[in-house]
Amino acid sequence: GQQLNQSPQSMFIQEGEDVSMNCTSSSIFNTWLWYKQEPGEGPVLLIALYKAGELTSNGRLTAQFGITRKDSFLNISASIPSDVGIYFCAGRGPYSGGGADGLTFGKGTHLIIQP
Amino acid sequence: EAGVTQFPSHSVIEKGQTVTLRCDPISGHDNLYWYRRVMGKEIKFLLHFVKESKQDESGMPNNRFLAERTGGTYSTLKVQPAELEDSGVYFCASSQDLRETQYFGPGTRLLVL
Repeated sequence: GQQLNQSPQSMFIQEGEDVSMNCTSSSIFNTWLWYKQEPGEGPVLLIALYKAGELTSNGRLTAQFGITRKDSFLNISASIPSDVGIYFCAGRGPYSGGGADGLTFGKGTHLIIQP
Repeated sequence: EAGVTQFPSHSVIEKGQTVTLRCDPISGHDNLYWYRRVMGKEIKFLLHFVKESKQDESGMPNNRFLAERTGGTYSTLKVQPAELEDSGVYFCASSQDLRETQYFGPGTRLLVL
């Protein structure tokens, strides 16, 4: 099946720093999604991207849909303690490994913030 | 509006036993998805229901897994008999329309000993 390569696997940063993470794929996707998961909860959608080249912001979060449709990045500016969690990228599209409508996920980026 | 709910939150069983997981989607959502995350790996799609019909079950690992959605409301995922490699977190998600946002439940953490 299709795979998404998400990096970095984990990040240890100081409060106030900016964060950047990305996902790449060998196949194209029609939609890129970024989710955040906190302990004991399910993934919560942060940003959805539907067009190649699209740049979308949600507060301190900014994500882009790569022009080749094979990659996406997520930036978090001025990190705060509540940003701690696992961030997942997910793709959906013609070559989604989960079938027509299932999402293909990356392995996640663990974000840890030191006050 | 209530979100996606899953029961139980945790389950610890012995190899060879049977476990049934339940998912209640957001009211009015026809699309229901099951996913699984095995420790250290990515979240993987298992199957997709549209109302009571299985639309895509290409991600189901083997015939020990049986998913149902009688009446098109809640869904159950039964594992029988459970094996050690079935341990992980099982997520359910629902969406109103086919291409709309999938909302995830909190997951069921299954440990098979």
